[in-house]
Amino acid sequence: QSVLTQPASVSGSPGQSITISCTGTDSDIAHYRFVSWYQQHPDTAPKLLLYEVSHRPSGVSDRFSGSKSGNTASLTISGLQAEDEADYYCASYTKTPLSTLILGGGTKVTVL
Amino acid sequence: QVHLVQSGAEMKPPGASVKVSCKASGYTFTGYFIHWVRQAPGQGLEWMGWINPKTGGTNSAQKFQGRVTVTKDTSINTVYMEIKRLASDDTAIYYCARELPTTPNSLDSWGQGTLVTVSS
Repeated sequence: QSVLTQPASVSGSPGQSITISCTGTDSDIAHYRFVSWYQQHPDTAPKLLLYEVSHRPSGVSDRFSGSKSGNTASLTISGLQAEDEADYYCASYTKTPLSTLILGGGTKVTVL
Repeated sequence: QVHLVQSGAEMKPPGASVKVSCKASGYTFTGYFIHWVRQAPGQGLEWMGWINPKTGGTNSAQKFQGRVTVTKDTSINTVYMEIKRLASDDTAIYYCARELPTTPNSLDSWGQGTLVTVSS
């Protein structure tokens, strides 16, 4: 059972923008800035897209952006491309009492 | 260049144990936590736990405590994850991943994954 709630699927046409939400609680997303997002194509390992809510690792397109408000984080993909079709997972830091990672259930992005 | 190379696929009967390795290269092994994340067929990612390769300190998700052990061998830059008392729902791809040093739980490099199949 996932602790962070994501929509099961989101779709969009090429060139459009889409947003994936990730809802947590006051103990995780609302309390810490350590929210990350991962992209996973079929049969490959996940790839870090964003960390600390909105920071992109080197090599990640600036079409991917992140934000947070209260207990909800969001990933926006601008200028949707066919290669963006993948599964996306959010993750948040929490302490229970040690550092713990909690994950969302994943969102399937379909490019129409 | 950072590389995490995992051991090969395993098939085990129910009740057995399995130990998966993750060999790191291209960076200072003791400077970065290593996490384990698994993915059952057709399912999402599930966090299992982490190890601090410098101290050997660990933490794991509550559901795995007492059944999963994460260890390290600093001499060969390798982390191990052992699961005891395997059941069919442990069938999954198991990934190791490196944590960014100043950003808890942000995993910037991943191993290729190890398929563990539990079947009689």
